Amino acid sequence: QVQLVESGGGLVKPGGSLRLSCAASGFTFSDYYMSWIRQAPGKGLEWVSYISSSGSTIYYADSVKGRFTISRDNAKNSLYLQMNSLRAEDTAVYYCARGLLWFGVDYGMDVWGQGTTVTVSS
Amino acid sequence: DIQMTQSPSSLSASVGDRVTITCRASQGISNYLAWFQQKPGKAPKSLIYAASSLQSGVPSKFSGSGSGTDFTLTISSLQPEDFATYYCQQYNSYPWTFGQGTKVEIK
Repeated sequence: QVQLVESGGGLVKPGGSLRLSCAASGFTFSDYYMSWIRQAPGKGLEWVSYISSSGSTIYYADSVKGRFTISRDNAKNSLYLQMNSLRAEDTAVYYCARGLLWFGVDYGMDVWGQGTTVTVSS
Repeated sequence: DIQMTQSPSSLSASVGDRVTITCRASQGISNYLAWFQQKPGKAPKSLIYAASSLQSGVPSKFSGSGSGTDFTLTISSLQPEDFATYYCQQYNSYPWTFGQGTKVEIK
């Protein structure tokens, strides 16, 4: 079945780094664009980053630009988020989600992973 | 950045009620609008894309409408499993942005 499974979260000190992974299965990963979205404790959803199906187009939220790097490996059906210079305000559950742009129709982010928790604290 | 404003922020409703949630964009986004449902401790679930198209497997009691700056999500007959928080999201331009959420509670 279609599945996205995030991993790599944990407790890290301010200024530290983490690398999140998202393993995809049950669909042709290289057909889909991917995004990371986060949710701070008790708060709403915040889009973090986007990468096109080929990896050639990337966007970031201003809050993470210059600190986070999104990447993908279509041969390994995997999405990544390298997070550097972490701050307390980066504490959140991080979700990966897939999206499909097909013949000019954008179907939006239709499948989400279960999330991985990142806590930035000293 | 495009701001998405949902109203109300919360509502209380009874099983069987018809519920409507509104989402307003700070500038025109055509129909690049999605709706998500999130239950406590769970990942968001996609309900609607392109303002009014139902994702596969989503029951027809959910419907969306609107274009430009004003959008609505309607649940035709609220059931116990529909009590959750609902978010709208624009994907017309980067950065993608979400509404603040509407919590639907049991009356």
